[in-house]
Amino acid sequence: DAMVIQNPRYQVTQFGKPVTLSCSQTLNHNVMYWYQQKSSQAPKLLFHYYDKDFNNEADTPDNFQSRRPNTSFCFLDIRSPGLGDAAMYLCATSRSYTDTQYFGPGTRLTVL
Amino acid sequence: GESVGLHLPTLSVQEGDNSIINCAYSNSASDYFIWYKQESGKGPQFIIDIRSNMDKRQGQRVTVLLNKTVKHLSLQIAATQPGDSAVYFCAENTYNQGGKLIFGQGTELSVKP
Repeated sequence: DAMVIQNPRYQVTQFGKPVTLSCSQTLNHNVMYWYQQKSSQAPKLLFHYYDKDFNNEADTPDNFQSRRPNTSFCFLDIRSPGLGDAAMYLCATSRSYTDTQYFGPGTRLTVL
Repeated sequence: GESVGLHLPTLSVQEGDNSIINCAYSNSASDYFIWYKQESGKGPQFIIDIRSNMDKRQGQRVTVLLNKTVKHLSLQIAATQPGDSAVYFCAENTYNQGGKLIFGQGTELSVKP
């Protein structure tokens, strides 16, 4: 029944070692979003894809990249993780910009 | 600028009581709001939404009220249960900014048995 799936649920990486987080969806939604949520804070949008069109938020660091090879999958790449990048990373999808966003369970990233 | 904020960071209620969680927004042009529930270690779960052409919307045990005059919305949970314990976020959907959700700071609801 899972509609938005994120893998892995927990990821541990070393300072500066690249890491990739995965999101997949069974809803056939056009839009896929990546949010960062730090402890005791609200989620903050990093970027999104509308179909194949990538849209970056102005304040998202260059260290964060994304790929969407097809409708179902979207990846978040962190090229050189710093200690400040430790957070929960949430993927969300929606049919369009005016529709409800549904979130996955998140990936908890730890940076050692 | 745009902002969505919550009045209280924590709310403690007795099981069976009704809960009310409040949210204020600053952009008078805002017209689509969503409430999410987030349990510890999980992603936000959609509860209910409301658009500006409505003042009230009801779901199962939940009601959202929108007061556009004072730019305020609230989430009411009837007969609160222990399973309702979570952080509740209000969010504004800025569909003219790519559907970006602007979240409030969150209210932690604690239900005492």
